[in-house]
Amino acid sequence: QSVLTQPPSVSGAPGQRVTISCTGSSFNIGAGYDVHWYQHLPGTAPKLLIFVNNNRPSGVPDRFFGSKSGTSASLAIAGLQAEDEADYYCQSYDISLSGSSVFGTGTKVTVL
Amino acid sequence: QVQLQESGPGLVKPSQTLSLTCTVSGASISTNKYYCSWVRQYPGKGLEWIGDIDYIGNTFYSPSLKSRVGLSLDTSKNQFSLRVSSLTAADTAVYYCARFQAIRRNGVQRPDNWFDSWGQGTLVTVSS
Repeated sequence: QSVLTQPPSVSGAPGQRVTISCTGSSFNIGAGYDVHWYQHLPGTAPKLLIFVNNNRPSGVPDRFFGSKSGTSASLAIAGLQAEDEADYYCQSYDISLSGSSVFGTGTKVTVL
Repeated sequence: QVQLQESGPGLVKPSQTLSLTCTVSGASISTNKYYCSWVRQYPGKGLEWIGDIDYIGNTFYSPSLKSRVGLSLDTSKNQFSLRVSSLTAADTAVYYCARFQAIRRNGVQRPDNWFDSWGQGTLVTVSS
């Protein structure tokens, strides 16, 4: 069971902005651990989208924004495009139970 | 550009041991810059970290799987492997190998780094 909670789905029309939340606790995000985001199309390799809260790897469009505050983080997609329809996961570190990398529950983004 | 590819059986019986291999191309696994990792995805979508192994064989396991999991390296083949014992239907999942950044940030080795490259995954079904 994931310790980082995301909404199951979000949707938006092309060109709109959508935001995905990632809610953690004092054992992970709230403890100061950084958050990373991945984009995943089923049947393909997950792709790193954002690292260390708000950094984009080379090649990731600047339409993707990450942020972190308190026990939560967010991923915003501006100017939504059809190719953005995918599953999105946040990831951090949790210090409970001897510590482990942890992932969010995942959010399906649908472009209407 | 680094590429990772999982290989192994798609069907295993309950109580048996699963063995998967990840072949890495485009980059060496014999480096202190990265850990070699395994992550699995359940049919219901959730992702679960299984464990990491560094370039000298130090291992880090998920507390919930630690008693049944083993990771190993074969640097001569640029491969790393996963073993999961005492399988049950609950181990049915897509298994991904990934590369975990081991860089120091501000001089500190942090556990909250990220997975910068992933394989496409291999579906493992546990069923008799």
